[in-house]
Amino acid sequence: DAGVIQSPRHEVTEMGQEVTLRCKPISGHDYLFWYRQTMMRGLELLIYFNNNVPIDDSGMPEDRFSAKMPNASFSTLKIQPSEPRDSAVYFCASSLGAGRQPQHFGDGTRLSIL
Amino acid sequence: GESVGLHLPTLSVQEGDNSIINCAYSNSASDYFIWYKQESGKGPQFIIDIRSNMDKRQGQRVTVLLNKTVKHLSLQIAATQPGDSAVYFCAELTGGGNKLTFGTGTQLKVEL
Repeated sequence: DAGVIQSPRHEVTEMGQEVTLRCKPISGHDYLFWYRQTMMRGLELLIYFNNNVPIDDSGMPEDRFSAKMPNASFSTLKIQPSEPRDSAVYFCASSLGAGRQPQHFGDGTRLSIL
Repeated sequence: GESVGLHLPTLSVQEGDNSIINCAYSNSASDYFIWYKQESGKGPQFIIDIRSNMDKRQGQRVTVLLNKTVKHLSLQIAATQPGDSAVYFCAELTGGGNKLTFGTGTQLKVEL
């Protein structure tokens, strides 16, 4: 079975550029989560969606970050303009149902902002 | 100032021995807990979960123990194998029931 698919796997870009990360959740899952992982702060939840609707974006660091989910099989996380401190591994996860259901993670996008 | 990264505790075990990875959680209202395994270059992989109305749950070669009195969770891996080498995270369900809060992780190293 296909798991959560993220692209690109690696992204290197210069400060000030727009970055778009993509995620395809597991088919049938109705929750989608975006996380960021750094050595300093560990794994942090940025935003999550239910049935394509953003529910909680309190973890989004600032207005430079935005996320969309135009349909049940696709989501994007955009950073504009990017800064070196945005360098991290960004993970997407999905789950079937809320609460006591395991979230299944993709393999992440390693983002480096020069 | 100088940046300081998270220092992951490390557990080193011999192949074939049992491993016990511990986790202290923070919120006494948390009622669902998950253990994840993360290998280098990959995303966290679900291992096993447990609800707060249980104190023990077993899977294939893994057992999770929950002690709500002291807010402690442990993951036991039987007959540890080289493929078990990874970082292990515990996570608790908080924030109204939809948000997972992750611990800092423990690096498990299996020595041949």
